[in-house]
Amino acid sequence: SAVISQKPSRDICQRGTSLTIQCQVDSQVTMMFWYRQQPGQSLTLIATANQGSEATYESGFVIDKFPISRPNLTFSTLTVSNMSPEDSSIYLCSVGDSVGGTQYFGPGTRLLVL
Amino acid sequence: DQQVKQNSPSLSVQEGRISILNCDYTNSMFDYFLWYKKYPAEGPTFLISISSIKDKNEDGRFTVFLNKSAKHLSLHIVPSQPGDSAVYFCAASVLYGGATNKLIFGTGTLLAVQP
Repeated sequence: SAVISQKPSRDICQRGTSLTIQCQVDSQVTMMFWYRQQPGQSLTLIATANQGSEATYESGFVIDKFPISRPNLTFSTLTVSNMSPEDSSIYLCSVGDSVGGTQYFGPGTRLLVL
Repeated sequence: DQQVKQNSPSLSVQEGRISILNCDYTNSMFDYFLWYKKYPAEGPTFLISISSIKDKNEDGRFTVFLNKSAKHLSLHIVPSQPGDSAVYFCAASVLYGGATNKLIFGTGTLLAVQP
């Protein structure tokens, strides 16, 4: 499976500011995904990051709030914009396998918004 | 609408015994089911999966059973070890946009294996 790293690993931010999270993969992958895990909750898909085209967002998530870049097949960024305390979560990127939908996850970015 | 449900938020088992984690789903279009293990401060780690055309898949100490008529799957860990203590997520995969598989996760079960 691919080795996935995320930066930063954690951050504490003030409300109203924005944070960009980076996801780096050690091999070229077609499918990359961004998830959120709110405290005590399950993982929820934010969007699918498509190389060379706009990201595909899930219901309840919009591009203005969570802009995504996917400049090449090994890298993606997720920005959490105009943050509020409700955005305090773990943000995870994952990459997809062609077989059975298996996804492999990065270590996550722990975000606390004050 | 919670399409994948794990009704037991926690489970405690003695070392060496069997751990059984359960998961129910509602969408008959799911084509793969997966189990992930998550330690605190780490991302989820893929454990084992099963295709909807099978009823059992085994990998070492881990076995996943699928009962399609009941829309139920379970993960058996035997023998359980203290290092298995983690949160276990069930996930279901559905073809999405014609080419991409989307994962829908359950709420997780915290497994504690007592030495």
